[in-house]
Amino acid sequence: EPEVTQTPSHQVTQMGQEVILRCVPISNHLYFYWYRQILGQKVEFLVSFYNNEISEKSEIFDDQFSVERPDGSNFTLKIRSTKLEDSAMYFCASSERDTEETQYFGPGTRLLVL
Amino acid sequence: DQQVKQNSPSLSVQEGRISILNCDYTNSMFDYFLWYKKYPAEGPTFLISISSIKDKNEDGRFTVFLNKSAKHLSLHIVPSQPGDSAVYFCAAIVSGNTGKLIFGQGTTLQVKP
Repeated sequence: EPEVTQTPSHQVTQMGQEVILRCVPISNHLYFYWYRQILGQKVEFLVSFYNNEISEKSEIFDDQFSVERPDGSNFTLKIRSTKLEDSAMYFCASSERDTEETQYFGPGTRLLVL
Repeated sequence: DQQVKQNSPSLSVQEGRISILNCDYTNSMFDYFLWYKKYPAEGPTFLISISSIKDKNEDGRFTVFLNKSAKHLSLHIVPSQPGDSAVYFCAAIVSGNTGKLIFGQGTTLQVKP
């Protein structure tokens, strides 16, 4: 069964450093998302992406964040200058359509900012 | 932002019995609802969904009920199995939005053998 994959599974970085989280969505999906879950909190929407541009972003997704689909398979989330509060589990998801369609999640990347 | 609420942080049931997980929402524009199951250190796994034009959807041991007038949905698992022990998230999509899922806080289900 097709699945969303994410790398790395864990990332430890120093505050102020740049990190890139990578995702390979399901191959026939057209809509891509990033979510995050801070420990003990709910899963929060960050950004949605379609047709090589951002469809919507949350207030969390400030200028330090960017997303890119550099080729036909990868979808990346970049945090330019990490802060302590960026420590969280980051989930990538994809779906065939943007509404009334299931989003399938990857296993997540645990980011720890020291 | 508490548009989707799961008021029970935890639930414990005996193996073989029914598990009922509840979810309330406030936004009447939501038109699609999903339940996800999540194990520690893994991503949410899709379980079952329901469109706002329906009031029930069933898939094997899992049934989701939607009461639009009460803005309430529930997930029934019967019979419950120890492998069902996980965190269950309710999520909703706003109509006309870009597929942004809004999640509840989650309910931790423990099924005792």
